[in-house]
Amino acid sequence: AQKVTQAQTEISVVEKEDVTLDCVYETRDTTYYLFWYKQPPSGELVFLIRRNSFDEQNEISGRYSWNFQKSTSSFNFTITASQVVDSAVYFCAAYGGATNKLIFGTGTLLAVQP
Amino acid sequence: GAGVSQSPSNKVTEKGKDVELRCDPISGHTALYWYRQRLGQGLEFLIYFQGNSAPDKSGLPSDRFSAERTGESVSTLTIQRTQQEDSAVYLCASSLEMSSYNEQFFGPGTRLTVL
Repeated sequence: AQKVTQAQTEISVVEKEDVTLDCVYETRDTTYYLFWYKQPPSGELVFLIRRNSFDEQNEISGRYSWNFQKSTSSFNFTITASQVVDSAVYFCAAYGGATNKLIFGTGTLLAVQP
Repeated sequence: GAGVSQSPSNKVTEKGKDVELRCDPISGHTALYWYRQRLGQGLEFLIYFQGNSAPDKSGLPSDRFSAERTGESVSTLTIQRTQQEDSAVYLCASSLEMSSYNEQFFGPGTRLTVL
């Protein structure tokens, strides 16, 4: 069975601080995909990134970066120089071909204070 | 282009009543998904459609829940004899195909409150 764990329930930082959101996944699938979604106060989930299990290269997109480590089953998300607009709930999710289901973690609420 | 839309955006109902929640996926998306998000919690997968077919209904919480999709387009999630524990935001998503590669695009959700 697949499981995604986001141990951090809430994180509060001050603007311009860097922050890392943790994600640990469990899966028996040999091929799987990992995702991060952002849910701002408006409620609509916004896709941030998809990473397949064969690609362990880190990825950077502007102030966002992702660190995928198969050895520790982690897919952590770092926001550099955080801004108030980054305040949202961030969800990590895993998708395995065997189940055809996108399994979400419980989310991390990030509050960026001005 | 138009994204995933859901209606109504908010629904307040009395315990025991039936409700229908509607999802209009992105045009051309063959896969459609329903999720439930209880207050302060993550998303709970309910059901997916590939075309008009739902091969796996095991995620539906009880037999009071049912879903259908017609014309490979609109989907309706029906909850019969609603209970207070059904109160949640119901999210719909669609993707180009049923594939782990394709990202899911989410609608704004329907907030259901059962009094």
